Amino acid sequence: KQEVTQIPAALSVPEGENLVLNCSFTDSAIYNLQWFRQDPGKGLTSLLLIQSSQREQTSGRLNASLDKSSGRSTLYIAASQPGDSATYLCAVQGEETSGSRLTFGEGTQLTVNP
Amino acid sequence: NAGVTQTPKFQVLKTGQSMTLQCAQDMNHEYMSWYRQDPGMGLRLIHYSVGAGITDQGEVPNGYNVSRSTTEDFPLRLLSAAPSQTSVYFCASSYSLWTGNYGYTFGSGTRLTVV
Repeated sequence: KQEVTQIPAALSVPEGENLVLNCSFTDSAIYNLQWFRQDPGKGLTSLLLIQSSQREQTSGRLNASLDKSSGRSTLYIAASQPGDSATYLCAVQGEETSGSRLTFGEGTQLTVNP
Repeated sequence: NAGVTQTPKFQVLKTGQSMTLQCAQDMNHEYMSWYRQDPGMGLRLIHYSVGAGITDQGEVPNGYNVSRSTTEDFPLRLLSAAPSQTSVYFCASSYSLWTGNYGYTFGSGTRLTVV
């Protein structure tokens, strides 16, 4: 059974810092990996999706990398801003042979202080 | 705006009552799914559908029913609500089960409390 772990569970940083959120998964037979953002009381907003054949994706100040063989992904946020404060969720979609559903981590709660 | 629409946003039920959580999307997505989010347990898949007329169980299907009569709508029914079903429910959709480069689009959620 796929398990997804996100470290740290919570992170508080001053504005302007570069930071890294970590995601690890136990079964490397994945189809893709997706990073989401969730604001308090809101739904999930897709940030980046990395196909299993890709190594990284970038969108603005966000960069996500994927090392499928070691079961790891990182989300890099450059020059953090108070508006980045949210919970960041990592989710993997399994290959057909290992189940095609999304498996989520519990998230990293990020607070960026002005 | 195109997307996934969930109603209601908030609901309080008494134990034993029934209700239907509505989910609609206007993106012509074939794949739709329901998740529940609980503290310490993350998001867990309840039911999903790969197209109109086709549904299947996810990780935690007990106590919930679904149907998919149209591409646009995927309602989730609680037949006899229990306090253990207190949770935040999310509907998600995608072009297909195999999301390719498009990923999933989530609704804004329904916060359900069963007393």
